[in-house]
Amino acid sequence: KAGVTQTPRYLIKTRGQQVTLSCSPISGHRSVSWYQQTPGQGLQFLFEYFSETQRNKGNFPGRFSGRQFSNSRSEMNVSTLELGDSALYLCASSSGFRDTEAFFGQGTRLTVV
Amino acid sequence: GQQLNQSPQSMFIQEGEDVSMNCTSSSIFNTWLWYKQDPGEGPVLLIALYKAGELTSNGRLTAQFGITRKDSFLNISASIPSDVGIYFCAGPGGGGATNKLIFGTGTLLAVQP
Repeated sequence: KAGVTQTPRYLIKTRGQQVTLSCSPISGHRSVSWYQQTPGQGLQFLFEYFSETQRNKGNFPGRFSGRQFSNSRSEMNVSTLELGDSALYLCASSSGFRDTEAFFGQGTRLTVV
Repeated sequence: GQQLNQSPQSMFIQEGEDVSMNCTSSSIFNTWLWYKQDPGEGPVLLIALYKAGELTSNGRLTAQFGITRKDSFLNISASIPSDVGIYFCAGPGGGGATNKLIFGTGTLLAVQP
């Protein structure tokens, strides 16, 4: 069974640009959650998509958005990039129901210059 | 909001030693997850706990779900160099959903051969 796949692994963007990250969950999983990891703030929840609908949202500005497709693949978009958006962005795949395990991809390392 | 306090922050041990770390929550959890993360990679799920008092092993790793449901413990026996990494505890945020996780601050483990 293939794991969670995130692309690209590394990105360098300039302030003010926008970026789109992609996540393919484990086959059969319907939930994709996105997290931002920085040295200062640790791992923080961004949002979760289940069956193409945003079901949960963390405390991030509206510049951070996402979507999920009918095959459960998800994309995350960050517009008007700021230096502070430099981070490791992780997606996690789960069945979407209570008391189930969440499996992470390798992450996308975004550097904003 | 919910917070997870993880201790110790770091541990520097000799190969062969046993390791203990713990995580406490400001509120009751119905699930505890323990992850290990290598530099630049995504967290890898080690153990999932679903019942208060539950003790679960995965090889040399043993984790326990505290009976108060506000804490969890992870033990590693006979550590080896590949145990090096950051260990995170995590619990569900909001409605018990494990697709919206709250993470501890992590325990950095260094093992000297």
